[in-house]
Amino acid sequence: AQSVTQPDIHITVSEGASLELRCNYSYGATPYLFWYVQSPGQGLQLLLKYFSGDTLVQGIKGFEAEFKRSQSSFNLRKPSVHWSDAAEYFCAVGALMNSGYSTLTFGKGTMLLVSP
Amino acid sequence: DTGVSQDPRHKITKRGQNVTFRCDPISEHNRLYWYRQTLGQGPEFLTYFQNEAQLEKSRLLSDRFSAERPKGSFSTLEIQRTEQGDSAMYLCASSFSGRSVNEQFFGPGTRLTVL
Repeated sequence: AQSVTQPDIHITVSEGASLELRCNYSYGATPYLFWYVQSPGQGLQLLLKYFSGDTLVQGIKGFEAEFKRSQSSFNLRKPSVHWSDAAEYFCAVGALMNSGYSTLTFGKGTMLLVSP
Repeated sequence: DTGVSQDPRHKITKRGQNVTFRCDPISEHNRLYWYRQTLGQGPEFLTYFQNEAQLEKSRLLSDRFSAERPKGSFSTLEIQRTEQGDSAMYLCASSFSGRSVNEQFFGPGTRLTVL
């Protein structure tokens, strides 16, 4: 069965500093990978996705992620963090169900705190 | 607003009561998903609809839970005889068909508190 591991429960970054959030997945076939962000009490907003092709994908709000098949990783990066980036970040893998359709399996999330 | 909407946003109920949540997906999306998210966890899949057909149900979806999408548009999730363990955020998402895996667009969620 598919799974996603986000090793860091919390990360604190100074405003203006760079950010990398780690994500490792386990899935037997070609993975479809996603990063979502969730602000307190809110639903999830898609930051970026990887389906195929270029392994470096660009997303909204200045985020990017790199798919590394050899490491089963899909780490999220941002060169300069803003205070408004403070939120919880979820990595997810899209996997096929028995019906032949897909659902998302999420990691437990990484809470990003931004210090002044 | 043409995003996914959910109603109510918050629900407080007493143990043993029934509750029903509604989800309105993005209008052109024919796939609809329900997830449950508890504190400190990522969302967990509950069930999935393609148009009005419920095609997948998670083992998390006990027999106290039922979901419908009668006309292939909005969906309802009902929990009967609520228990304190049902307290969670219930998220709805929708997506296009066209490929087997598509990005899902999430609603704001319904936060359920069972006293």
